[in-house]
Amino acid sequence: EDQVTQSPEALRLQEGESSSLNCSYTVSGLRGLFWYRQDPGKGPEFLFTLYSAGEEKEKERLKATLTKKESFLHITAPKPEDSATYLCAVQASGSQGNLIFGKGTKLSVKP
Amino acid sequence: NAGVTQTPKFQVLKTGQSMTLQCAQDMNHNSMYWYRQDPGMGLRLIYYSASEGTTDKGEVPNGYNVSRLNKREFSLRLESAAPSQTSVYFCASSETFGDPDTQYFGPGTRLTVL
Repeated sequence: EDQVTQSPEALRLQEGESSSLNCSYTVSGLRGLFWYRQDPGKGPEFLFTLYSAGEEKEKERLKATLTKKESFLHITAPKPEDSATYLCAVQASGSQGNLIFGKGTKLSVKP
Repeated sequence: NAGVTQTPKFQVLKTGQSMTLQCAQDMNHNSMYWYRQDPGMGLRLIYYSASEGTTDKGEVPNGYNVSRLNKREFSLRLESAAPSQTSVYFCASSETFGDPDTQYFGPGTRLTVL
């Protein structure tokens, strides 16, 4: 069964304290892995798509990496405005176009 | 360019009432989706439309119906609402279906069924 697990469930950081979020996946053939940011009361906002192991993408203080079993979202010197829930989703070969989402990591960055 | 829009933003229903959630996108995307999001669970796919004129069931379709009205609009209908359908509903769209293609989400509809 295709599955996505995110850890930790919640993460509290001080402003400037770098860290990483993890997304582990078990799928029958990965077509793509997606990272989204979701603010309270809002819809998920697209951040990155990764397609193959070894791929990396960056945007401001965020960097996403992909291996054959997991993806990391690295946050460098976070600011309070980075506080949000970060969602990971995968598209598997057997799922047609459907995305399988993890439960998310809630990040809080304190000034 | 508004992206994906949803109406209403909030709704309270009584058990057994019906309602339709509306979704529209202005990105000329071919594929559209309906998800629900519940506390402690990931987003789950209810129905999707790979292209205009087609609809298919997702992971949790029971109690719902959909209509792909045209390329822009995709509606979700609850015929007889139940408390278990209390959730936040998100509509999404993507340019294509099947290939790894980014889905863009709307702001959501928060539905409470009493």
